[in-house]
Amino acid sequence: AAGVIQSPRHLIKEKRETATLKCYPIPRHDTVYWYQQGPGQDPQFLISFYEKMQSDKGSIPDRFSAQQFSDYHSELNMSSLELGDSALYFCASSEVRFLGETKNIQYFGAGTRLSVL
Amino acid sequence: DAKTTQPPSMDCAEGRAANLPCNHSTISGNEYVYWYRQIHSQGPQYIIHGLKNNETNEMASLIITEDRKSSTLILPHATLRDTAVYYCIVRVGLYNQGGKLIFGQGTELSVKP
Repeated sequence: AAGVIQSPRHLIKEKRETATLKCYPIPRHDTVYWYQQGPGQDPQFLISFYEKMQSDKGSIPDRFSAQQFSDYHSELNMSSLELGDSALYFCASSEVRFLGETKNIQYFGAGTRLSVL
Repeated sequence: DAKTTQPPSMDCAEGRAANLPCNHSTISGNEYVYWYRQIHSQGPQYIIHGLKNNETNEMASLIITEDRKSSTLILPHATLRDTAVYYCIVRVGLYNQGGKLIFGQGTELSVKP
């Protein structure tokens, strides 16, 4: 079965540079989520999109922005990178159904490991 | 979303059942219990979820107490590959939009030979 695809898998940047992470959700999934996991920490929610509109926002720095495109893929743009942005960034997708049964199961990609030097 | 409490770590012998508890005493009537696990640095993996009835799938069983204030995830025959951090997450499962997962401390399960 198709899974969530994230690219790149690894990214090395210098301080103050910009980075763009990409996420391709499972086909037919309409919602995308971004999570950040620092070293030794639990994943923290950043932002989500439902049907190409921002649906929720967590502790996402103002230097970060994201969007979901017409083909449902999403990009997380990170500017003025800081050392503390070094982390694993996970994208997840889910399909919300209007069939009475609530599933809302999020499926995660393998993540992008960002290292800021 | 309700807060959950899990033991920080547990050990289990390979081939035995692993029973992972979770307390969620402030759970609301419309909140679901979800379990995810994360094998070292991999993306979190969905295991199972439930509202009030016990649930079973190919990976695990979920036992929810009648008052819904606690639950137990059961891995019936743990293998070394089940070594991971297990997260119990309580959240409203909205049918008309997605909802974020709030990852708490989790339980680090070590399956030993």
